[in-house]
Amino acid sequence: DAKTTQPPSMDCAEGRAANLPCNHSTISGNEYVYWYRQIHSQGPQYIIHGLKNNETNEMASLIITEDRKSSTLILPHATLRDTAVYYCIVRGNNDMRFGAGTRLTVKP
Amino acid sequence: EAGVAQSPRYKIIEKRQSVAFWCNPISGHATLYWYQQILGQGPKLLIQFQNNGVVDDSQLPKDRFSAERLKGVDSTLKIQPAKLEDSAVYLCASSLSWGNGGAYEQYFGPGTRLTVT
Repeated sequence: DAKTTQPPSMDCAEGRAANLPCNHSTISGNEYVYWYRQIHSQGPQYIIHGLKNNETNEMASLIITEDRKSSTLILPHATLRDTAVYYCIVRGNNDMRFGAGTRLTVKP
Repeated sequence: EAGVAQSPRYKIIEKRQSVAFWCNPISGHATLYWYQQILGQGPKLLIQFQNNGVVDDSQLPKDRFSAERLKGVDSTLKIQPAKLEDSAVYLCASSLSWGNGGAYEQYFGPGTRLTVT
């Protein structure tokens, strides 16, 4: 699976959009981009995934660049409960390989 | 829809003792995963089942860890004997299936926090 690069930490003001970047320059054509988050003492929570097109669900939007070498997870109106570690994962047929993720802190 | 269930939530044992964790996946999910998450790190896959068969156990320390999913539903993960470095959170996840280029999302349980003293 392709490696991903994420900033170790980010802050966001409550009520504002949180934009979490991820670089995956070695992604292959059949590999998906997945985002999970992990709130302290809980299991990872699935957020969204995509292959080529931008995706949106009730939690977030995923913007994938045309060359697929990077993506951005957007939480449109961050709340204090969105404070968590966010993992960007690129996966094909085999297992998901979690990196260190981005620790997002939403501040009042 | 009920999520992935795991028990116990917490376990403290002494080194060289044995311990077992239980997982019940989401109903209808054919694929089940066990992960180990050491404090400060992301989860690492230990073993993957498709129904009751093992798909990948390349990262399972087979000298002390074992896992089974006899009827293709529930699964147990066992450590015998435990070492200090086994202290971690053990996460179970399930997905509808696997393959297809990674199209199937995994859903995680709350995990079991193991402390080995």
